[in-house]
Amino acid sequence: DIQLTQSPSSLSASVGDRVTITCRASQYMNTYLNWYQQKPGKAPKLLIYAASSLQSGVPSRFSGSGSGTDFTLTISSLQPEDFATYYCQQSFITPRTFGQGTKVEI
Amino acid sequence: EVQLVESGGGLVQPGGSLRLACAASGFTVSTNYMTWVRQAPGKGLEWVAEIYSGGSTYYADSVKGRFTISRHNSKNTLYVQMNSLRPEDTAVYYCARVEDSSGYYFFDYWGQGTLVTVSS
Repeated sequence: DIQLTQSPSSLSASVGDRVTITCRASQYMNTYLNWYQQKPGKAPKLLIYAASSLQSGVPSRFSGSGSGTDFTLTISSLQPEDFATYYCQQSFITPRTFGQGTKVEI
Repeated sequence: EVQLVESGGGLVQPGGSLRLACAASGFTVSTNYMTWVRQAPGKGLEWVAEIYSGGSTYYADSVKGRFTISRHNSKNTLYVQMNSLRPEDTAVYYCARVEDSSGYYFFDYWGQGTLVTVSS
């Protein structure tokens, strides 16, 4: 199984800040990496797929990069609605594992 | 409009069984990959099972042999039959559609989730 390790586990930031979350895989997985946002009591929402492709309807302040084992989700200018938990997920092989999550707090 | 609506959650005793359903609209379940993901209270997301359009099924080790994913084509509904339930199966269960973009798979639509509580 591929293990995904996100860092940090949580962070505090302010509106307007640039935020970067990293996801490291336990083995090579090309660009088979997705990012999701989850708010309390809600289902996850797809932000980025294939490491860097922005899902339709997602604001352009979200971007993804990386390949192989190291990946990054960047929020260029944090907005009030972006305070949430973010998960990376690999689709290289089954089981389709998730990272442990990164909580972005005010 | 794509929509997924889960049902069937509830309280069940350890060792018991439950079947969750995920009614889909706006697309055809049988021509897509579909998946179940769960989230224990206060914890992260855990992939549970997946069914391919061709019918192949895959499971997390934690549920293999106890859970069965299936679909009913005419009802356009996804299911997961959960047997021999354990307290650690307590979670919100989400169904999701698996989209394929040039071989890259991702979960683009999710249901609202249904809570399963395994407790005596």
